[in-house]
Amino acid sequence: GNSVTQMEGPVTLSEEAFLTINCTYTATGYPSLFWYVQYPGEGLQLLLKATKADDKGSNKGFEATYRKETTSFHLEKGSVQVSDSAVYFCALSDRVSGSARQLTFGSGTQLTVLP
Amino acid sequence: GAGVSQSPSNKVTEKGKDVELRCDPISGHTALYWYRQSLGQGLEFLIYFQGNSAPDKSGLPSDRFSAERTGGSVSTLTIQRTQQEDSAVYLCASVSPTGVGTDTQYFGPGTRLTVL
Repeated sequence: GNSVTQMEGPVTLSEEAFLTINCTYTATGYPSLFWYVQYPGEGLQLLLKATKADDKGSNKGFEATYRKETTSFHLEKGSVQVSDSAVYFCALSDRVSGSARQLTFGSGTQLTVLP
Repeated sequence: GAGVSQSPSNKVTEKGKDVELRCDPISGHTALYWYRQSLGQGLEFLIYFQGNSAPDKSGLPSDRFSAERTGGSVSTLTIQRTQQEDSAVYLCASVSPTGVGTDTQYFGPGTRLTVL
């Protein structure tokens, strides 16, 4: 079956530090890959996505590249801010039936950015 | 509506009672998903609707859980005879039927269920 493994947290960084959150996946097909973010007290929000190999998703200074050869989709940001403090979830979307695509999530990584 | 809405936002119930959780997807979104987010299990898929039918119920944890969707819009997740292990945040997501975002799921804020 499909699975997503992401870096365990919590991760604590100082403002303006470089961020990497590792994510690797196992899938039988050709999944789309996502990073979702959950800010304190809020629901899941899509941060970025990539739908095929070598695609790079980017948003709000975050980037992730779909690497089929290493089955990875690591999240990076060059300079984090206090407002980036949240839980980050890596996920893959693969076809389950018809046009349906079920999301399989990693366990989430708590990021805290200190001023 | 502008986004996926869920109600109630919080629900506290006693063990053994039935609860109903509601999801109102983004207008025009034909696919709807339910997930559960709990401390021990992370985010788990529960059930998926395409229109009013549920072709995949494989994620429902027991026969105490059921869901329906009417009019291709609002969905209700029902948990009968709730147990303490049902305590979790129940998330709903919807998907646009066409266009480049067809595999992007948009989530509601969730319903936090606490079973005492």
